[in-house]
Amino acid sequence: DAGITQSPRHKVTETGTPVTLRCHQTENHRYMYWYRQDPGHGLRLIHYSYGVKDTDKGEVSDGYSVSRSKTEDFLLTLESATSSQTSVYFCAISDRYYEQYFGPGTRLTVT
Amino acid sequence: GQQLNQSPQSMFIQEGEDVSMNCTSSSIFNTWLWYKQDPGEGPVLLIALYKAGELTSNGRLTAQFGITRKDSFLNISASIPSDVGIYFCAGPDQTGANNLFFGTGTRLTVIP
Repeated sequence: DAGITQSPRHKVTETGTPVTLRCHQTENHRYMYWYRQDPGHGLRLIHYSYGVKDTDKGEVSDGYSVSRSKTEDFLLTLESATSSQTSVYFCAISDRYYEQYFGPGTRLTVT
Repeated sequence: GQQLNQSPQSMFIQEGEDVSMNCTSSSIFNTWLWYKQDPGEGPVLLIALYKAGELTSNGRLTAQFGITRKDSFLNISASIPSDVGIYFCAGPDQTGANNLFFGTGTRLTVIP
């Protein structure tokens, strides 16, 4: 299995508070991704990174920002959490041929 | 974004039966991938296909890259209880960075 960890694994927060989720990899893969997974929508790409300090928006990027200051870490920040951001968040990594490997997920609840 | 249509959306089968599911897209793909997600976990890559007509096996799983390059199929032979989960197909987003589009999944339930 690819070495990917996500923290925290579960979080409950209140509307309007900032939240940061962390993805850490030990594989030295170039590409990193943040997805959200909601019933009826499958996996939707939020942001991705193609190198240190190189990031771009995905399909559902509004309300989210990311940063990648080191190859191994990719942070997802919700500047002011809303109830619509309650979801399961997955990080993934990739190095070749579109093969992406996923972390265990973070379940976020915004009350 | 790109629409990947998976069918069926859900399946209930008896243990030991064979399973077949498919995925279609409105665009031609040069790569198809199949993932499985167990409850409470992240998706796991099962099979990757890179050539039209290619047939690839991984144990009891067999996936095929359709000749039209707009579809792919996944078959599971002699299903067992641990096959339960959601199966996703995925194809490349041509904008780069190895981005993928994912189907909405086929939920498989195996009845012992």
